Amino acid sequence: DTAVSQTPKYLVTQMGNDKSIKCEQNLGHDTMYWYKQDSKKFLKIMFSYNNKELIINETVPNRFSPKSPDKAHLNLHINSLELGDSAVYFCASSLQGLIGNEQFFGPGTRLTVL
Amino acid sequence: QQQVKQSPQSLIVQKGGISIINCAYENTAFDYFPWYQQFPGKGPALLIAIRPDVSEKKEGRFTISFNKSAKQFSLHIMDSQPGDSATYFCAATPPGTDKLIFGTGTRLQVFP
Repeated sequence: DTAVSQTPKYLVTQMGNDKSIKCEQNLGHDTMYWYKQDSKKFLKIMFSYNNKELIINETVPNRFSPKSPDKAHLNLHINSLELGDSAVYFCASSLQGLIGNEQFFGPGTRLTVL
Repeated sequence: QQQVKQSPQSLIVQKGGISIINCAYENTAFDYFPWYQQFPGKGPALLIAIRPDVSEKKEGRFTISFNKSAKQFSLHIMDSQPGDSATYFCAATPPGTDKLIFGTGTRLQVFP
């Protein structure tokens, strides 16, 4: 009965490759997010989607493209991977994206770019 | 204006002691202040949250103290336990959005 799940958990790849991370939530939420946590544990929001519509885009390079096929899924595709993209990426979801609504985080995907 | 500063970076406490983590913000329009707890290898999880119209909120051993005039808020963990060992993040939300701006995190270690 996982609430927010991500695949894969670990991703090791070469510079220049293209990769995707998948996220699914079974909480019935309609807002989903992607966060990046760097090697110093700093957490920063990248994107949020509400009912498949992009709401927040935090000046993330164009190489990052989120895709929301339905409100239960938000995938992250990364083109031309760079060393600096190495991080843990967290998906999260909340109900209606309202202020004060708890965001539920997935277990994270550790991306290592060699 | 969009930053949230958190201290200390790391904290070591004896079992049964009080853990105190502090955060400060610049944007007076921030209107929601949650604390998230993250265990190694896991995603962050909401621990407790407060709105700026109250000065304190308590849930079990966890208390948020909020000082609106000083633009500071803090997390107090009473009777700290080894199971509390984790990284704690404060956060704040700008008005009109659900965007979380996180502090830099505090690694808490509670020793028996």
